[in-house]
Amino acid sequence: DVKVTQSSRYLVKRTGEKVFLECVQDMDHENMFWYRQDPGLGLRLIYFSYDVKMKEKGDIPEGYSVSREKKERFSLILESASTNQTSMYLCASSRQVNTEAFFGQGTRLTVV
Amino acid sequence: RKEVEQDPGPFNVPEGATVAFNCTYSNSASQSFFWYRQDCRKEPKLLMSVYSSGNEDGRFTAQLNRASQYISLLIRDSKLSDSATYLCVVNTNNQGGKLIFGQGTELSVKP
Repeated sequence: DVKVTQSSRYLVKRTGEKVFLECVQDMDHENMFWYRQDPGLGLRLIYFSYDVKMKEKGDIPEGYSVSREKKERFSLILESASTNQTSMYLCASSRQVNTEAFFGQGTRLTVV
Repeated sequence: RKEVEQDPGPFNVPEGATVAFNCTYSNSASQSFFWYRQDCRKEPKLLMSVYSSGNEDGRFTAQLNRASQYISLLIRDSKLSDSATYLCVVNTNNQGGKLIFGQGTELSVKP
């Protein structure tokens, strides 16, 4: 079974803090994704990566950056957390283009 | 216009009913299509892929109409355990393999 693991289930951070969300997959997948999910807005793509050290902006990259130094790990960074970044963050991976994605359990981030 | 659109519902149906969800997508270059299921406060999980010829998995049937850019999911003989949000997902190669989600359709199956 594919396993996508996110480092935290719940996180509370203060406004202005730098926040790191970590995601690891164990199936040698090429593609990795970061989404945020908000009520009424669905899942919105923040960034994705199709190879080590490669990254592409999604639909809402502002206020975020990512890092993919190793194939199995994709990190989402909030440079200076703000209250409007309070959300559920979901990491996913897929074997290649056109294949289904598998999700981690999500990180519920609250910025106070 | 959103890239992937779904009726958000909620759909409230009795056990045993047949229910159909629809989804439209705007990019004609889209290559692959999926239905995901998401339970409350859980991550989305793949329900089924959608093929051009249509496909069936037990009580679930998915259809794709490329000409109309339309995807459907039919659930027959609904069970209480089918209550969830159903997400339509589209993958477009020319955007580097970006997976785009619809907002989801909420289904509630009542006894």
